[in-house]
Formats: sequence, C-alpha cells, structure tokens
Amino acid sequence: QQQVKQSPQSLIVQKGGISIINCAYENTAFDYFPWYQQFPGKGPALLIAIRPDVSEKKEGRFTISFNKSAKQFSLHIMDSQPGDSATYFCAASRSSTLGRLYFGRGTQLTVWP
Amino acid sequence: EAGVAQSPRYKIIEKRQSVAFWCNPISGHATLYWYQQILGQGPKLLIQFQNNGVVDDSQLPKDRFSAERLKGVDSTLKIQPAKLEDSAVYLCASSLDSERGWNTGELFFGEGSRLTVL
Repeated sequence: QQQVKQSPQSLIVQKGGISIINCAYENTAFDYFPWYQQFPGKGPALLIAIRPDVSEKKEGRFTISFNKSAKQFSLHIMDSQPGDSATYFCAASRSSTLGRLYFGRGTQLTVWP
Repeated sequence: EAGVAQSPRYKIIEKRQSVAFWCNPISGHATLYWYQQILGQGPKLLIQFQNNGVVDDSQLPKDRFSAERLKGVDSTLKIQPAKLEDSAVYLCASSLDSERGWNTGELFFGEGSRLTVL
C-alpha cells in the first residue's frame, strides 16, 4: 500500500518556468513532510520540509504548499533552471519517528535551456 | 564534514549467492538507516538503528536480510541468499538524533550500493 502518492511521474519544463509536483497522503498521524532531491548516481538530499502547523514554506526558489484538510502538499520550483533537473521525492513521517520516511515514487524533472 | 560513506558502489551476483554492504555514517550521528530503492520507486526503510540498538526492522525480510551496527558506528547489511527481486540500490543514511525533534532528524544519505542479481 502506497502511503504517499506522487504525481506526475515525469515533468518537462522550459527554463524560467514553474515546476509543480503534487503529493497526497492518507495517514493523518503524519506531521513531517520533507522533499528530497536526487541526482543520478547520488543519494537523496533534503531540499525543504514543512510541518502541518503552517500552510506554506518558502526557501529561495522552492516553496511547499500544504493543505491539511485535503491531505495534500506540493512543491513549486520558481524560475526553474537546467541545474534543477533531477528526481524529486516527497515523503512523510511522524515526528516521533522522523527517520521512518514513507517516500512517493518520485518525479523526474527535466528543465530545458 | 565527511558525508555518509558506503561500499561497494556496485555489486553483481547470481541468485542464491550472498552479498554484504558496509556503511560509515557521519561522525556523531546516533541514528543509522538502511533504505532499499528499487528502480523507478522511492526508497523504502529496511532497518533503523539508534546507536547500536535496533529501533525498527519491521520491513526487513529477516529470512534473507540481516544487519548489524557494532559499537554504534559502522553498519553492515547482508543478503543471503539473494533473489532476483533484491536488485536495487541500498542506501545508508544517518541523522543526528531522530528522537530529539524534527530539526535534528534530517537524514543524510550516502551515494548507495547498487546490487544486480542475475
């Protein structure tokens, strides 16, 4: 059973455009929602994370939007750059077991110059 | 600061053979994880250690997988005998302390060990 569902599977965006990746979860006990970025041949690296007490968190060009009632959250990448081309994973966990992350299937983002 | 080190990076074996992967976490990190990442999927937790004790191994196929973390530092993950479906990247990650709060729970992943079972 997939605890976290992620879409789209792949995304192609023009340089300077906005990339949007969506995730949904079922377990209402989840209260920590990180996004990880993974380049080929590398391990995932934490990009940005949010707790459900806020509806939005922004770090540079990356923004997480969180909708607790809909059990959905999304990643927005503004002014997308070719260097952003990577696989992005959303994840969820409970703060009591932070490292027990449930990952989505990933979104392969390609930004064309 | 040195990151999480893993070896070997690549391993090809035949089914029913055994294999072992090694992980050295970031110095001072109390918590260590092994995740399995099958091609086209997100990582899945296999086992979590807090210092040298097992916190969660509910997703570890214990009939063939074993893991240990001696002296609370390095860890090894062993598969014996391997099956075709074990082909995956095995990611080791560490965190400062997953139980102290979410700002210390960030996972730092190694580059992974890619296993191919023929």
